[in-house]
Amino acid sequence: SQTIHQWPATLVQPVGSPLSLECTVEGTSNPNLYWYRQAAGRGLQLLFYSVGIGQISSEVPQNLSASRPQDRQFILSSKKLLLSDSGFYLCAWTGGRSTDTQYFGPGTRLTVL
Amino acid sequence: GNSVTQMEGPVTLSEEAFLTINCTYTATGYPSLFWYVQYPGEGLQLLLKATKADDKGSNKGFEATYRKETTSFHLEKGSVQVSDSAVYFCALTSNSGNTPLVFGKGTRLSVIA
Repeated sequence: SQTIHQWPATLVQPVGSPLSLECTVEGTSNPNLYWYRQAAGRGLQLLFYSVGIGQISSEVPQNLSASRPQDRQFILSSKKLLLSDSGFYLCAWTGGRSTDTQYFGPGTRLTVL
Repeated sequence: GNSVTQMEGPVTLSEEAFLTINCTYTATGYPSLFWYVQYPGEGLQLLLKATKADDKGSNKGFEATYRKETTSFHLEKGSVQVSDSAVYFCALTSNSGNTPLVFGKGTRLSVIA
């Protein structure tokens, strides 16, 4: 069966520090991968998605970037965090038998102080 | 473009009450429709889906029917439990596997004993 992992689960970082969040999917190949952010008490904002290695689509301009160095690995990064980057970051994938259904990871809670 | 509108929350119900969360959509073509649930501190879980008009998705006592004539996909449950307290998201995607889901803003449900 397929599983999706995210780490770390929680992170507290100072303003101006770098960021690296990792997402990996097991049990499938060539998934589409997605990064979302959920600010406190708000809905989901799609940040990036990828349909293959090295292929990244950005949905919103900001100080975040994404990379896909391997087929089942998706990384969210920042060189300098802002207070507004605080939130709950969710990774998701589609693929396999059900290409229209997204499956989500457990999320990373990021607090920028 | 595609969009999803769902009723604003929060919704507070007593245990065993009937639940309806309204969801309407705007889309070209024939989208697939989804309900996701997010329990506190967790990622999103697929609750149910429907891929064509008049399909009924169901899971854990929840149901939603794909109504193309009213462009709606309302979520219902006949008797809610305290454990149903969560945020519920309506979403859609076109039937292209590479298209990210479009989410509604979410509806928070609180069920009190």
